[in-house]
Amino acid sequence: EIVLTQSPGTLSLSPGERATLSCRASQSVSSSPLAWYQQKPGQAPRLLIYDASTRATGIPDRFSGSESGTDFTLTISRLEPEDFAVYYCHHYGRFPQTFGQGTKVEIK
Amino acid sequence: QVQLVQSGAEVKKPGASVKVSCKPSGHTLISYYIHWVRQAPGQGLEWMGLIDPSGGSTSYAQKFQGRLSITRDTSTSTGYMELSSLRSEDTAVYYCAVLRDNGVWYGYWGQGTLVSVSS
Repeated sequence: EIVLTQSPGTLSLSPGERATLSCRASQSVSSSPLAWYQQKPGQAPRLLIYDASTRATGIPDRFSGSESGTDFTLTISRLEPEDFAVYYCHHYGRFPQTFGQGTKVEIK
Repeated sequence: QVQLVQSGAEVKKPGASVKVSCKPSGHTLISYYIHWVRQAPGQGLEWMGLIDPSGGSTSYAQKFQGRLSITRDTSTSTGYMELSSLRSEDTAVYYCAVLRDNGVWYGYWGQGTLVSVSS
């Protein structure tokens, strides 16, 4: 099983700032099979990024994803008020699939 | 657009089983998996397993092997998640999701079903 470790656990930032979220896989994942989701309280997750760096339909371009080996990064270039939420990475390259434990982006 | 409509909240006693349904509505899905993901109160997302509705093949997280059964009814395109031998730690919101259809990413999620396990 691939374990995804997200860091930091909580990110305290102000609107307009840049957010950098990390997701590290315990093993190599070929072909970049990693997605990112945003979740707000009481809501289902929302797909942001798939294949490590491809934005889902309707996702603003301030969200971007990248990868370097087993390290994956979600970047929010300038935080908008609606971006404060919890973010999860998800690997789907092999079974069983797994989620990271989440990073909470909170208002400073 | 596709909506995934899940069955309603359940309250179960320890040791019982629960079966949650997930029915796609709207556009017809072509080639997809139905994932099941749960979220305990205040906790993160946990992938449980999935089913390929066309052939019925499944994959389960090791943690749930022997307690989890994911099935589908091809006549109604409905997916089911059944978890047995429930314990208090199984109290969670259970989501179904269709992330890709025919190779295209959509990220459809159900509204979630709260399963409460309490004596």
